[in-house]
Amino acid sequence: DVKVTQSSRYLVKRTGEKVFLECVQDMDHENMFWYRQDPGLGLRLIYFSYDVKMKEKGDIPEGYSVSREKKERFSLILESASTNQTSMYLCASSYAPGRDSYEQYFGPGTRLTVT
Amino acid sequence: SQELEQSPQSLIVQEGKNLTINCTSSKTLYGLYWYKQKYGEGLIFLMMLQKGGEEKSHEKITAKLDEKKQQSSLHITASQPSHAGIYLCGADMEYGNKLVFGAGTILRVKS
Repeated sequence: DVKVTQSSRYLVKRTGEKVFLECVQDMDHENMFWYRQDPGLGLRLIYFSYDVKMKEKGDIPEGYSVSREKKERFSLILESASTNQTSMYLCASSYAPGRDSYEQYFGPGTRLTVT
Repeated sequence: SQELEQSPQSLIVQEGKNLTINCTSSKTLYGLYWYKQKYGEGLIFLMMLQKGGEEKSHEKITAKLDEKKQQSSLHITASQPSHAGIYLCGADMEYGNKLVFGAGTILRVKS
C-alpha cells in the first residue's frame, strides 16, 4: 500500500514564526503536491514538484516556499506565519502521467493554527 | 474552484436511500478523480475516470463520466452510515496531473 506521511497532525505556531511541514512518501512517486483545505473553498494547490529540486507554483503560492532535496521528501515552509495561514495542509504524491495509474495519494493532513 | 462545480454542497439522507453527487467542468477533462474524506483526515482515493461514457463501480458506489467528458456523477446505492463523509471530485484539465478540486459535498446518513 502507498503510504504518505506528514510530520505532524496538529501544530500551533505564533505569528511571525518560521514553520516547516514535512511529507514523506514510500512509493518512489515522481510528483508531490502541497494543498491547503479551507471550508467552502475545497483544496487549493500551493506548490508541486515533478522531480528532485524541481518545483512549480500552484494557485496560491504567496507566503510559502518548498524544498525537495530527495525524491521521497517534500517540505512546505511558511517563512513568516500569519493568522490567514491557519488551515488544514494536505500533502499528496503520484506517478507522473503516462503510467497506467497516476492518481494522487494523500497524507493524513496537518491542522495548523497560527495565533 | 469556479472551473469545477460540485453539487450539492451538503446532503442528509436516510439510511438505505440512494443519492447522487455531481461534478461539472467548464472544460473537457483528461481525467476525473473521486475521493472521500473523513472529517479532519486525508483523502481516500475512490475511482478515476478517463474515457467519455466510462463507468466504474466499487461496492455500492458507481461513478460515471459523460460522453463529452465535462460532467461526472457519483451514485451511492442503499446508503449506510459508513458512507458519511466529504466527497470531493478532482479534475485533470491540462494532462499534467495538477488536479483542480471541487468544493466538496458533505454527506450525512441518518440511521
